[in-house]
Order: sequence, then C-alpha cells, then structure tokens
Amino acid sequence: DQQVKQNSPSLSVQEGRISILNCDYTNSMFDYFLWYKKYPAEGPTFLISISSIKDKNEDGRFTVFLNKSAKHLSLHIVPSQPGDSAVYFCAASARETSGSRLTFGEGTQLTVNP
Amino acid sequence: KAGVTQTPRYLIKTRGQQVTLSCSPISGHRSVSWYQQTPGQGLQFLFEYFSETQRNKGNFPGRFSGRQFSNSRSEMNVSTLELGDSALYLCASSPGTSGRWGELFFGEGSRLTVL
Repeated sequence: DQQVKQNSPSLSVQEGRISILNCDYTNSMFDYFLWYKKYPAEGPTFLISISSIKDKNEDGRFTVFLNKSAKHLSLHIVPSQPGDSAVYFCAASARETSGSRLTFGEGTQLTVNP
Repeated sequence: KAGVTQTPRYLIKTRGQQVTLSCSPISGHRSVSWYQQTPGQGLQFLFEYFSETQRNKGNFPGRFSGRQFSNSRSEMNVSTLELGDSALYLCASSPGTSGRWGELFFGEGSRLTVL
C-alpha cells in the first residue's frame, strides 16, 4: 500500500524554465510534508517542508504547495538550473509520531538541460 | 562538522547469511533511523533509535533488527538473508528533540547485494 506516490518517474526541463514535481498521498493522518533531493552516490538531503496548516512555503527558488482536500502537493523550482538535476523524493509524516518516521514516495528523476 | 558515516559502503553476501551494518551519526545527534531503498519502492522506514531505545519500528520482519549504543552509534542486523534484501540501506540522524521536524541527515548508504 503506497501511501505516498510520485507518479512521474522522470521529468526533463530546459534551464531557466519552471520544474513542477508532483506528489499524492492517501493517509489523512499525515500533517507534515517534505521534499528531499538525492544526487548519485550521496544520501538524500532535506530541501523544503510544509505543515498542513499552510498551503504554501517558499525558500528561494523552491516553493512547495499543499492542497489538503486533494491530498496533493507539488514542488516548483524557478528558474531551474542544471545543478538541480537529481532525484526528488516527496515524504510525509504524522506529527503524533516521530519526525524520523517518514513515508517516502518512489522519487522523480529531474533532468535540467542547459 | 562530520556527517553521518556508514560502513561498509558495499558488501556482497549469500542467501542465508547474516549482515551487520554500522552508522555513526552527526556529533550531538541522539536519534538514528534506518531506511531501505530499493528500485521503484522509494525509501522505506525500518526503525528509529533514540537514547539507546527503539522509538519506532516499520513493517519489516523480525529478521531485521538494530541497536544503539551509548555514544549514539547504531548498528542494524539482517539475519537469514534473502535475495529481496538486496538494497541500499540508509542511516539518518537528527537531534531527536530539537531542530526542524522531519529534517534528517542521511549517510551515503551501505549497498548490500545478496546472491
């Protein structure tokens, strides 16, 4: 039972354009959502997060949007840069549990072409 | 500040054997969690240790176990290895009681291949 799903295994965009990565979840208990980025041969690194009491959180070029009624979140990267090429994982957590217990999606490979 | 260190980085075992993986968290971090990454499955939570106690456990069989030492270093053990245990095992640390919720600091992982 995949509680967090990233339906696009890959995404390719041109440098300077917007990248939009999508994520859906099914568990209504999730109330905190995160995005992690992973380069080859490295561990995932935290990118940005959002609480369920918000619908948008912005950090520089990265913005995460949350639509609770649709159980959907998205990550927008504007403008996209070649260095953003990586696998992006969406993750969810229920704050009644530990912040270390995250449920991850399968990941989306983003390729930003120069 | 040194990052999360995992050893060994690569290992090959045969079915039925057991394996122990080690993780040294970031200095001062008291929480260590373990994740299994397989193709198409994303990262799946195995367990979390905090102050030498298992605080959370994922949906893995009892062949998967772990422990944490007083210096916060952690080990995970997989007994009676199966082909399906081939995966990248990631260790992550966090302060445990402070810091940004859900922000984990991952190591580079231990790549286990079971033949």
